[in-house]
Amino acid sequence: DTEVTQTPKHLVMGMTNKKSLKCEQHMGHRAMYWYKQKAKKPPELMFVYSYEKLSINESVPSRFSPECPNSSLLNLHLHALQPEDSALYLCASSRGGALAEGLGEQFFGPGTRLTVL
Amino acid sequence: AQSVAQPEDQVNVAEGNPLTVKCTYSVSGNPYLFWYVQYPNRGLQFLLKYITGDNLVKGSYGFEAEFNKSQTSFHLKKPSALVSDSALYFCAVSLARSNDYKLSFGAGTTVTVRA
Repeated sequence: DTEVTQTPKHLVMGMTNKKSLKCEQHMGHRAMYWYKQKAKKPPELMFVYSYEKLSINESVPSRFSPECPNSSLLNLHLHALQPEDSALYLCASSRGGALAEGLGEQFFGPGTRLTVL
Repeated sequence: AQSVAQPEDQVNVAEGNPLTVKCTYSVSGNPYLFWYVQYPNRGLQFLLKYITGDNLVKGSYGFEAEFNKSQTSFHLKKPSALVSDSALYFCAVSLARSNDYKLSFGAGTTVTVRA
């Protein structure tokens, strides 16, 4: 299995709702990532988990809460979002280990298209 | 700090003609460079990477890229473009950390291949 899956594909939520995005990979990768992408723009890194521990938080507002329950699964919990949070949310994974070994590429899921009303 | 620049917002070519998408980089230390492609309403797909070794890197779908250290460039090329190559292309550079890789992306180049 060489893919990253994300659910749901689309999500519409109000500013008072609580929802979660889910990401799963079964490639044995030990690093997992959340990105936010606006239309025609590059992805912006939000969070990195390495060996199930939060490694990077790019000063993301607390209304976004990541969780890594196990090495295959990554969640992003959403609460009290703003309309400007509407975007494509991408999950990615990478093998981990020394980059010089040539294992550094990230594999991306198809994304969740989030609309905040 | 590392960064990449994609000087062209858009590239338009006719099908069958060569395609080049430009990327220049700025890093302290050895650059780890990547190209990704994104089709409409899809995630990013990995095309190729340069870590070390041969300056000409071959990747997926007939794409290749040439690493040029003196010009700090990593241009993506395809000898004969297809209409299906129309997409958004991102160059990226990685800062190697112990167990994960923080990618810095260029602004992206929209490629349109006309029939």
